[in-house]
Amino acid sequence: AQSVSQHNHHVILSEAASLELGCNYSYGGTVNLFWYVQYPGQHLQLLLKYFSGDPLVKGIKGFEAEFIKSKFSFNLRKPSVQWSDTAEYFCAVNPYTGFQKLVFGTGTRLLVSP
Amino acid sequence: GAGVSQSPRYKVAKRGQDVALRCDPISGHVSLFWYQQALGQGPEFLTYFQNEAQLDKSGLPSDRFFAERPEGSVSTLKIQRTQQEDSAVYLCASSPRPAGTSGKEEQFFGPGTRLTVL
Repeated sequence: AQSVSQHNHHVILSEAASLELGCNYSYGGTVNLFWYVQYPGQHLQLLLKYFSGDPLVKGIKGFEAEFIKSKFSFNLRKPSVQWSDTAEYFCAVNPYTGFQKLVFGTGTRLLVSP
Repeated sequence: GAGVSQSPRYKVAKRGQDVALRCDPISGHVSLFWYQQALGQGPEFLTYFQNEAQLDKSGLPSDRFFAERPEGSVSTLKIQRTQQEDSAVYLCASSPRPAGTSGKEEQFFGPGTRLTVL
């Protein structure tokens, strides 16, 4: 079945550590890719998105993601995390089949200890 | 400006009760989506409206689920004869333009309604 996989369900890091969260999808053809973040007690908000062009995209708060078409991956990275990055991170794919419905991964809970 | 709002934020229902969940999208947003998020899972698509037209309801899990957006703004998701498996957070999202095959629009999410069915 077509899906979006996030391999890390829980990640614990110390401040200043580097972060990489994996995301793989199984859709062929053109896809649009998103990372959303949900801070504690807040609603989902867009972190970054990729449609075409440079496969390395930069988002808010120092996050970036790299699209590797051959690996069907869109991993999220940040060189140095902060305590305020504690949140749940969702990878999402629009499989370009019409209407903008998003297919989400199961999410990764990140806890950054001060 | 105001974001997407949803009410109630929390709802407890006894099994068999009907519930209605409300979504107020960002003013002027054409597209409106409903998602269901079960515990420990990512959101799953339920249905999509372009203005008042329900163009995709492929994600509704059963005929007990019904959604409407009669005037192209506020939307209501109704669940009849609730079951325990309906317990989840129901998320509403809107985006400014009509959906199409581009799929590039950011969706703006509301805070969700947490439904617990006892």
